[in-house]
Amino acid sequence: DQQVKQNSPSLSVQEGRISILNCDYTNSMFDYFLWYKKYPAEGPTFLISISSIKDKNEDGRFTVFLNKSAKHLSLHIVPSQPGDSAVYFCAASGAGNTPLVFGKGTRLSVIA
Amino acid sequence: NAGVMQNPRHLVRRRGQEARLRCSPMKGHSHVYWYRQLPEEGLKFMVYLQKENIIDESGMPKERFSAEFPKEGPSILRIQQVVRGDSAAYFCASSRLTSGGAYEQYFGPGTRLTVT
Repeated sequence: DQQVKQNSPSLSVQEGRISILNCDYTNSMFDYFLWYKKYPAEGPTFLISISSIKDKNEDGRFTVFLNKSAKHLSLHIVPSQPGDSAVYFCAASGAGNTPLVFGKGTRLSVIA
Repeated sequence: NAGVMQNPRHLVRRRGQEARLRCSPMKGHSHVYWYRQLPEEGLKFMVYLQKENIIDESGMPKERFSAEFPKEGPSILRIQQVVRGDSAAYFCASSRLTSGGAYEQYFGPGTRLTVT
């Protein structure tokens, strides 16, 4: 029973265009949502997060949108760069220091 | 400011041997989490520890697996009598204490365990 779902295993985008990565969740008790980026043979790197009380958080080229009624969040990267090519994981947790529940990831390829 | 450190980065064990994976959290972080990633899968939570305490081990197999985070030294994930199905990447993450608000977990580079 997957509580966090990333339904697109892969995504290809041209350099300079917008990348949109999607994530759905089923547990309404989730309070906090995070995006991580992962290169092969490395650990996940924290990118951006959003609390359930917000609907948008922006950090440079990265923006995360949260739609609580739809239990959906998305990560927008604009403009996309070749160095953004990696696997992106969506994760969610309850309040406080609770474990993260991860999606299976989306492999983003940014083509020059 | 050193990040989360894990060693070894690669570990090869024969079936039946023991595997010990180490994790040193980021400076100032008192919470450690262990996750496992199987090929083509997301990371799955195993265990959450604070110094000298296991807070949540709901994701850890009941047999052969154990974890500790002693007062001094790194956190250790121990797998006894390894089997081929234990082959995976094991990631450690750490976070600071929060009072219930937002926090982030920062991950180490992982230990890739191969059981032959």
